Formats: sequence, C-alpha cells, structure tokens
Amino acid sequence: DVKVTQSSRYLVKRTGEKVFLECVQDMDHENMFWYRQDPGLGLRLIYFSYDVKMKEKGDIPEGYSVSREKKERFSLILESASTNQTSMYLCASSAQGAPSNSPLHFGNGTRLTVT
Amino acid sequence: AQKITQTQPGMFVQEKEAVTLDCTYDTSDPSYGLFWYKQPSSGEMIFLIYQGSYDQQNATEGRYSLNFQKARKSANLVISASQLGDSAMYFCAMREINTGTASKLTFGTGTRLQVTL
Repeated sequence: DVKVTQSSRYLVKRTGEKVFLECVQDMDHENMFWYRQDPGLGLRLIYFSYDVKMKEKGDIPEGYSVSREKKERFSLILESASTNQTSMYLCASSAQGAPSNSPLHFGNGTRLTVT
Repeated sequence: AQKITQTQPGMFVQEKEAVTLDCTYDTSDPSYGLFWYKQPSSGEMIFLIYQGSYDQQNATEGRYSLNFQKARKSANLVISASQLGDSAMYFCAMREINTGTASKLTFGTGTRLQVTL
C-alpha cells in the first residue's frame, strides 16, 4: 500500500513565522502535490512537482514555496505565515506514466492554525 | 471558470435509502477522467470510483455507481443502501489527460452527506 506521511497532524504558528510542512511518500512516486482545503472551497492546488528539484505552480501559489530535494520528500514553505493561511493542508502523490485511472494517494492532512 | 461544480453543500439521507450526489464538469479536453473521493471526519481522502471519458459503461464499485452523462457533462455519484458509515464529505475531481500535467486532479467544493436513522 502507498503510504503518504505528513509530519504533523496539527500545527499552531504565529503570524510572520516561517513554516515548513513536510510530506514523505514511500512508493517512489515522481509526482507530488500540495493542496489546501477550506470549507466551501474544496481542495485547491498550491504547487506540484513531477521530479526532484522540479516544481510548478498550481492555482493558488501566492504566499507559498516548495522544495523537492529528494524524490520521496516534498516540503511546503510559508515564508511569512498569515492568518489567511489557516487551513487544512493535504499532500498527495502519484506515479509518472501511471494509467489515467490511477488515483492520487493522500496523506492524512496537517491542520495549520496561524494566530 | 469552475471546472468541477458540486451544487449540494449538504445532503441528508435515511439509512438504507439510495442517494445521488451531483457533479458537473467543464473541459475542452476530449480525454479526461472523473474521480470521487470520500473524506470522513478523520480527514483521510478515500478513493471511491473512477469514470473515463471513453468508457462505454457507467462505473460501479460495490454500493457506489456513477451516473455518467457525457453530453450533459455530469458524473453523479449514486450510493445505494446508505449506511451510517457513509456520513462524510464527498468530492468529485477531474483529470485532463491531454492538457493536464503530472496527473493532477481538479476538485469540486464537496458535498457533506449525513446518513440518519
């Protein structure tokens, strides 16, 4: 079974702090994704990566950056956390070249509160 | 433009009844896939069912089936014989095969289903 692990289930940070959200997958997947989930807005894609050191902006990249130094690890960085970044953050992965019916595999999420 | 639309923020269904969760989509890519995920209160995202744009038959997985109407661009999820454990948030998502990159999914806003006794 694919396992996607997010290092923290809950995080509380202060406005202006630099925040790192970590995600690790154990299936050698090339593709990794960061989504944020908000009530009434569903899941929105922040950034994704299709290879080590490669990254692409999703639909809402403002205020975020990412790092992919190793294939199994994809980090989401909030350079200066703001209260409007309080949200649930979901990491996902998938294999390059997998069949089109292959689902994304998700971690259990990190609920971030910025005060 | 919204690519995936789920117009029902919340739904109630009685145990053992069937329920339909609506999903409409918008794409110009002739090749796409539609996914449904379930998210219980624990937060995990559970993949339920997939429908490809070229699939001739509606997808089924146990108590889940997909009412796929291509001309209407709708992919409604039907849950038969609802159980209390079906109470959760349900998300519809789309993958555009030709125009999308890295197999990303675009999600709708979700429908919260509550199953009652």
